[in-house]
Amino acid sequence: NAGVMQNPRHLVRRRGQEARLRCSPVKGHSHVYWYRQLPEEGLKFMVYLQKENIIDESGMPKERFSAEFPKEGPSILRIQQVVRGDSAAYFCASSSGQVGTGELFFGEGSRLTVL
Amino acid sequence: SQQGEEDPQALSIQEGENATMNCSYKTSINNLQWYRQNSGRGLVHLILIRSNEREKHSGRLRVTLDTSKKSSSLLITASRAADTASYFCATRGAGGTSYGKLIFGQGTILTVHP
Repeated sequence: NAGVMQNPRHLVRRRGQEARLRCSPVKGHSHVYWYRQLPEEGLKFMVYLQKENIIDESGMPKERFSAEFPKEGPSILRIQQVVRGDSAAYFCASSSGQVGTGELFFGEGSRLTVL
Repeated sequence: SQQGEEDPQALSIQEGENATMNCSYKTSINNLQWYRQNSGRGLVHLILIRSNEREKHSGRLRVTLDTSKKSSSLLITASRAADTASYFCATRGAGGTSYGKLIFGQGTILTVHP
């Protein structure tokens, strides 16, 4: 079974450009989570989505950041007008959502560098 | 604020020794999980312990949970150089579904010397 697939693995953008990060969850998983990690730090929750719905976006900055998980296709984390402070590793995770199963399956991350 | 706080921040031991990492959290939880992250990689789930459980084992891993103290510990016995990684605890809040967000701690960097 393929795990969580994220692309691109590395992305370089100049200030003011847009960054789009993609995440394909484990086959059959309908719950997707996005996290952000700065060097030597833990993961900061950003957003939790189910197919076509945002369930919890309490960790998402109010401006410039958006996320979607359409009925067909991967989940997308979009960062508009990037700034240097957006440089980080962005991790996507998925779960089946079945009661009693609590673990998240993580992708290898997308590392964004803003010049 | 971050739910989980871990200590120590870094731990350096020799192969064959045991490694113990601790995690404290602030609010009521549904379950607590431990993850491992190798440098430059994604996180891998190690073990999950529910709020009504006190201890759980998986291979060389032993996890304890004390809900009265809001703390957990991860013990890795007979450590190996390959155990070198960052270890994170993560909590899922009580009252939510079993698949709500996980809140991660800052992690413990474990180095096992051959």
